[in-house]
Amino acid sequence: EAGVTQFPSHSVIEKGQTVTLRCDPISGHDNLYWYRRVMGKEIKFLLHFVKESKQDESGMPNNRFLAERTGGTYSTLKVQPAELEDSGVYFCASSQVRDSPLHFGNGTRLTVT
Amino acid sequence: DQQVKQNSPSLSVQEGRISILNCDYTNSMFDYFLWYKKYPAEGPTFLISISSIKDKNEDGRFTVFLNKSAKHLSLHIVPSQPGDSAVYFCAAPGTAFFGNEKLTFGTGTRLTIIP
Repeated sequence: EAGVTQFPSHSVIEKGQTVTLRCDPISGHDNLYWYRRVMGKEIKFLLHFVKESKQDESGMPNNRFLAERTGGTYSTLKVQPAELEDSGVYFCASSQVRDSPLHFGNGTRLTVT
Repeated sequence: DQQVKQNSPSLSVQEGRISILNCDYTNSMFDYFLWYKKYPAEGPTFLISISSIKDKNEDGRFTVFLNKSAKHLSLHIVPSQPGDSAVYFCAAPGTAFFGNEKLTFGTGTRLTIIP
């Protein structure tokens, strides 16, 4: 079984540019989550999809962040325009049912210069 | 306001000895806790969990203890092995019904096992 895959693994962009991160969950996993770890601090929840619907997006920092999951398969997280404080590692995770352990991807390291 | 705290950023333990990682929480509504392990350049992987109806849960070399009155939990690894060297995160879910939703993580403890 393929795990959660994230692309790219690393992205370096300039302040003001746009970046789109992609996550492919484990096949059959309806629940998809985005988390972020900034500057070696705690890993923080961003949002949760159930299939294509946003179940909870209370962790999204501001309206520069837009997440989509068209068709309930892969998800994208777009940051537009990027700011310096957006630098960090963005993790995607998926689970088959809501109370089963999360499977995390290896993350995308975003560096905004 | 950090609701899950891991006050030790790092810990070094001799191979074969016991590793004890600590975690404190402030939200008395938390009733389920998880530990995740993370290797460099990888995502966190689930290790072990405990429900508040228990005070101990064991899985092989890993045991988690929960002290609700002190709002404290700890992860014991015995015997420690070199492959245990990783960052360990304590986490609690933000919803009452499901064990893995909207997890609140601590800042992590980097465990180094010395051969």
